[in-house]
Amino acid sequence: DTAVSQTPKYLVTQMGNDKSIKCEQNLGHDTMYWYKQDSKKFLKIMFSYNNKELIINETVPNRFSPKSPDKAHLNLHINSLELGDSAVYFCASRATSGITDTQYFGPGTRLTVL
Amino acid sequence: DAKTTQPPSMDCAEGRAANLPCNHSTISGNEYVYWYRQIHSQGPQYIIHGLKNNETNEMASLIITEDRKSSTLILPHATLRDTAVYYCIVQSRGSNYKLTFGKGTLLTVNP
Repeated sequence: DTAVSQTPKYLVTQMGNDKSIKCEQNLGHDTMYWYKQDSKKFLKIMFSYNNKELIINETVPNRFSPKSPDKAHLNLHINSLELGDSAVYFCASRATSGITDTQYFGPGTRLTVL
Repeated sequence: DAKTTQPPSMDCAEGRAANLPCNHSTISGNEYVYWYRQIHSQGPQYIIHGLKNNETNEMASLIITEDRKSSTLILPHATLRDTAVYYCIVQSRGSNYKLTFGKGTLLTVNP
């Protein structure tokens, strides 16, 4: 069973469009994240939610809006897409139990803005 | 900004041990050392973490120096599937826990 899944895997769209990426985890974790990996391969955190509450909001354009309908889902909506939004977006969930504190990443969504 | 320094790339022969160094000279007392890796086109994968003691699991061993200013990730018998970018991350735990990735080390395991 897939622990952290993302849809779609690939997304190609035109500048100015609005698109959403969905993430679901079946691990029972309370905390979920969105990361962006740009063309230079740098991975940077964007947002984090804990039990549907936003707890981390890095310097991200307000065109990006995360939404968490329940603790198993964290979706990312992007308005007015720009060329610079092209990247791979990774969702992750966090396990904290005793000494364990690890993140489980999804397979990524490759967004290409034309 | 990442608080760690890693060599940009390393090579290792298949079947041999891969020793990946990491410097974290400004590490604080409550910060852990985490290692993740990213195989091409996949999401990062957790490997191991530690505070001050050496740690071992089914994937790797983590050796942390006594002053905690550096550490080494050891893959005891590297395989071709271990070719990946390896990230060393120092991070405290807590509600605002997040991973700050640096550039990592590209480990290439050669046949």
